[in-house]
Amino acid sequence: NAGVTQTPKFRVLKTGQSMTLLCAQDMNHEYMYWYRQDPGMGLRLIHYSVGEGTTAKGEVPDGYNVSRLKKQNFLLGLESAAPSQTSVYFCASSDRVNYGYTFGSGTRLTVV
Amino acid sequence: KNEVEQSPQNLTAQEGEFITINCSYSVGISALHWLQQHPGGGIVSLFMLSSGKKKHGRLIATINIQEKHSSLHITASHPRDSAVYICAVPPATGTASKLTFGTGTRLQVTL
Repeated sequence: NAGVTQTPKFRVLKTGQSMTLLCAQDMNHEYMYWYRQDPGMGLRLIHYSVGEGTTAKGEVPDGYNVSRLKKQNFLLGLESAAPSQTSVYFCASSDRVNYGYTFGSGTRLTVV
Repeated sequence: KNEVEQSPQNLTAQEGEFITINCSYSVGISALHWLQQHPGGGIVSLFMLSSGKKKHGRLIATINIQEKHSSLHITASHPRDSAVYICAVPPATGTASKLTFGTGTRLQVTL
């Protein structure tokens, strides 16, 4: 199915562990984003990419790293997980002129 | 940064009622997004509009660029419309696709 695919859907980490969230899109979108969603707060942008090989910081980038080695993939890494990173993470993509903003189904991450 | 306010935060309606959700933003924009998120579910884009009105089934979105205000209407509401509705806007300058999101309106439609 066309769209944005996130893996994994659920994960529990211990404090200090590392992990990578994978986002893949098959719509040939230029822009990709990682957001986190916390209760009572709107979606907040962690990092984004405007094209293959590029990344940029968003609103809440601390504690996360990203890579966009291929146009269709955008990886979000947590090097040393902290309980404050417990959240639902959404990947999204859009094309260059801001149409067709598409979200993945989310990854629920718990850090204990 | 564009500030986005939605109202109401929570809304309960009976099946069949006409529903209105409002969104106001602080800085002029090129377009506004309306999104839907079902409980425990992913986020679906409903509309992107830059002027006037758009309609899709029982959903209608309007925007007044001069007043910096948009509304999402649901006609003949149904329990399956129960979800969180989120509006989102791009910044006035910079990367147009970096959206700022409202905190959402939680809608519950009962039988």
